[in-house]
Amino acid sequence: KNQVEQSPQSLIILEGKNCTLQCNYTVSPFSNLRWYKQDTGRGPVSLTIMTFSENTKSNGRYTATLDADTKQSSLHITASQLSDSASYICVVSASTNAGKSTFGDGTTLTVKP
Amino acid sequence: EAQVTQNPRYLITVTGKKLTVTCSQNMNHEYMSWYRQDPGLGLRQIYYSMNVEVTDKGDVPEGYKVSRKEKRNFPLILESPSPNQTSLYFCASSPRESWRGEQYFGPGTRLTVT
Repeated sequence: KNQVEQSPQSLIILEGKNCTLQCNYTVSPFSNLRWYKQDTGRGPVSLTIMTFSENTKSNGRYTATLDADTKQSSLHITASQLSDSASYICVVSASTNAGKSTFGDGTTLTVKP
Repeated sequence: EAQVTQNPRYLITVTGKKLTVTCSQNMNHEYMSWYRQDPGLGLRQIYYSMNVEVTDKGDVPEGYKVSRKEKRNFPLILESPSPNQTSLYFCASSPRESWRGEQYFGPGTRLTVT
């Protein structure tokens, strides 16, 4: 069964600090991996999309890495801001089923002043 | 402005009273999908549509129906809502298959069934 596991479940950091969120998946055959940011009560917003051949992708202060061999991804947030407080969701798609994606349960990040 | 809209945003209803949540996108996307989100469970896919008149079940389709008569619209129908369908619902769209492009999510519909 295709699965996506994220860690930690929740994280509290001080404003200005860096942090790294983890995503491990068993989805196969792999097509792409996406990271979304979801503010409380709002729809997720895409941060990065990575395919098999990409191992790093940045979007401002967000940098995602992908190791397709170990089936692991990480999302690194640099110089955190209060507005980074949100849930971060890892989503993985398999190339054999075009319509379905497997979602992780998310990591809830709280940035404190 | 490119967007996915959902209506209503909030709905309180009673068990068994049929309801429809509408979803519309203005980006000419082929792919559309419905998700529900419950505390501690993350987003779970209900139904998706690869194009007009093409729909398929996601992971939790029981108790829901969908239709895709037009490219821009993808309504979610609850024929006989039950309390376990109380949830936050999101509609999303993307160009072609979900894995070929970024998914754009709507603002969500918070449904309470009493």
